[in-house]
Amino acid sequence: NAGVTQTPKFRVLKTGQSMTLLCAQDMNHEYMYWYRQDPGMGLRLIHYSVGEGTTAKGEVPDGYNVSRLKKQNFLLGLESAAPSQTSVYFCASSYGGSAADTQYFGPGTRLTVL
Amino acid sequence: GQQVMQIPQYQHVQEGEDFTTYCNSSTTLSNIQWYKQRPGGHPVFLIQLVKSGEVKKQKRLTFQFGEAKKNSSLHITATQTTDVGTYFCAGNTGNQFYFGTGTSLTVIP
Repeated sequence: NAGVTQTPKFRVLKTGQSMTLLCAQDMNHEYMYWYRQDPGMGLRLIHYSVGEGTTAKGEVPDGYNVSRLKKQNFLLGLESAAPSQTSVYFCASSYGGSAADTQYFGPGTRLTVL
Repeated sequence: GQQVMQIPQYQHVQEGEDFTTYCNSSTTLSNIQWYKQRPGGHPVFLIQLVKSGEVKKQKRLTFQFGEAKKNSSLHITATQTTDVGTYFCAGNTGNQFYFGTGTSLTVIP
């Protein structure tokens, strides 16, 4: 099992450019999450999905869109990147969303917006 | 909105000294999880606490969940250089986890 994988690992964008981050998991997990991590801010939830075809907003959803067309994939899109979106992005998945479920994290994508 | 605060933000200890990080929530939590992130790595699950007043141990690590289920702590006895990293708590109130700001631990050999 590869667990949770993220593509790409690094990316540099210019302001206004768009891009899509891909997260894939091979554990048949129902729930998937996108977080951003900034110094001194911990991890903040951007969007999450409780199953194929569903998405929901997290704590900081503005400027991002997501899609979950297949159970194993969760895509994070930036339509018009801004310097404030410079961050490390982590995808995570869990079997369910209940209190008993561990989140498994991907290796992260380091994004710089110039 | 939901807030989970963690203190201290940074801690430097001499190898062999103890270390404690505290997590406080503005609201009552269903459960709390603890994660460790090594420098340059991703968060890795350590443990979950569910019951009020619960205490769990993993070798040199002791985790506590407060009676009111609004605070938690992680204590490491006799730190080792392998304990270096950032420790996060994550409080659950439903479908979302709210992560604390993390405590970065440096262990000086």
